[in-house]
Amino acid sequence: EVQLVESGGGLIQPGGSLRLSCAASGFTVSSTFMSWVRQSPGKGLEWVSLIYSDGSSYYADSVKGRFAISRDNSKNTLYLQMNSLRAEDTAVYYCATYGYIYADVFDIWGQGTMVTVSS
Amino acid sequence: DIQMTQSPSSLSASVGDRVTLTCRASQNIGTYLNWFQQKPGKAPKLLIYAASSLQSGVPSRFSGSGSGTDFSLTIGSLQPEDFATYYCQQSYTVSKTFGQGTKLDIK
Repeated sequence: EVQLVESGGGLIQPGGSLRLSCAASGFTVSSTFMSWVRQSPGKGLEWVSLIYSDGSSYYADSVKGRFAISRDNSKNTLYLQMNSLRAEDTAVYYCATYGYIYADVFDIWGQGTMVTVSS
Repeated sequence: DIQMTQSPSSLSASVGDRVTLTCRASQNIGTYLNWFQQKPGKAPKLLIYAASSLQSGVPSRFSGSGSGTDFSLTIGSLQPEDFATYYCQQSYTVSKTFGQGTKLDIK
């Protein structure tokens, strides 16, 4: 069964750092396009970052220069390193495959992990 | 970035009603348009991809149409489990923007 399980969320002070993990099963992260999408409390969905199978990565302007997407092929896990966190980064963070089943779409999602940035 | 605008923002309807939600892109995106359903506390679920293709397992009462800048999601006969928030999302550019959502609730 194809599954994504996020972890690493929590309460962090403004300016701090946090690393989110997304453990994949049933498929290989290194050969799949993967993404992070977030949702602030009571708000809509916001695309955060995308990594292609060739390792190229892209970011929303709101996180560019502060967040970094990566993967560990040996652990079949996707990561999101978040630095210089701000209150507006408070959100549920979802990892998702992009184009795993259907082209050009977020087709498999994890359950999400909550990040709260507050002093 | 391409802006996605959904209307209405909220909609009240009854079981059995036929409803149509709309999504407009700020520029031509061809058919690079997807629809998601989200229920409270849950991850989004893919319903429609490439503007009109139904994901496997999604009931046939859901249908999508449109191309270019104007798109719609129609639910043929609302069922109790359909009351949720619906998002459109464009995949035309690397920056993959979502609409602000349409909340569909029971009248």
